[in-house]
Amino acid sequence: KAGVTQTPRYLIKTRGQQVTLSCSPISGHRSVSWYQQTPGQGLQFLFEYFSETQRNKGNFPGRFSGRQFSNSRSEMNVSTLELGDSALYLCASSLSNTEAFFGQGTRLTVV
Amino acid sequence: DQQVKQNSPSLSVQEGRISILNCDYTNSMFDYFLWYKKYPAEGPTFLISISSIKDKNEDGRFTVFLNKSAKHLSLHIVPSQPGDSAVYFCAASPPSGNTGKLIFGQGTTLQVKP
Repeated sequence: KAGVTQTPRYLIKTRGQQVTLSCSPISGHRSVSWYQQTPGQGLQFLFEYFSETQRNKGNFPGRFSGRQFSNSRSEMNVSTLELGDSALYLCASSLSNTEAFFGQGTRLTVV
Repeated sequence: DQQVKQNSPSLSVQEGRISILNCDYTNSMFDYFLWYKKYPAEGPTFLISISSIKDKNEDGRFTVFLNKSAKHLSLHIVPSQPGDSAVYFCAASPPSGNTGKLIFGQGTTLQVKP
């Protein structure tokens, strides 16, 4: 069974631009969550989608948004990028009450 | 307010000995706990989990202990191997029982010396 796939693996963007990251969950998993990892803040929850609906949301500004498609694939978007948005963005998928499995992450660098 | 805390940023042990990683939490309503292992620039890899209705779960070299009264859990790795060197995160699932939203500790870097 294929794991969680995130694309792209690496991305460099300029301040003020926007970016879209993609995540394909494990087949059959309907929950997709996004996390941001930075050296200072650790792993922080961004949001979770389940059956195309946002089910949970973390404490991030509205510049961070996401969506989920009918095939459970998910995208997250960050608009008006800031230097502080440089981080490893991780996607995880899970069945409802079981372990969450993570993808390799997308390393975003904002210059 | 950090609801899940790993107070030891690093731990160094000798190969073959036991590694004990600790985690404390503040919310007594957390009902599911997980441990993940992470290498730099990669996603976390799931290791082992425990439900709040249990006090121990074992999987091969890995055992997780949960002390609900102390709001404390620990991960034991026996015997430790050099390949275990990584950052270990504990995570808790909020009371909804939904593991789609996990709250992570800050991580503990384990170094296993040959």
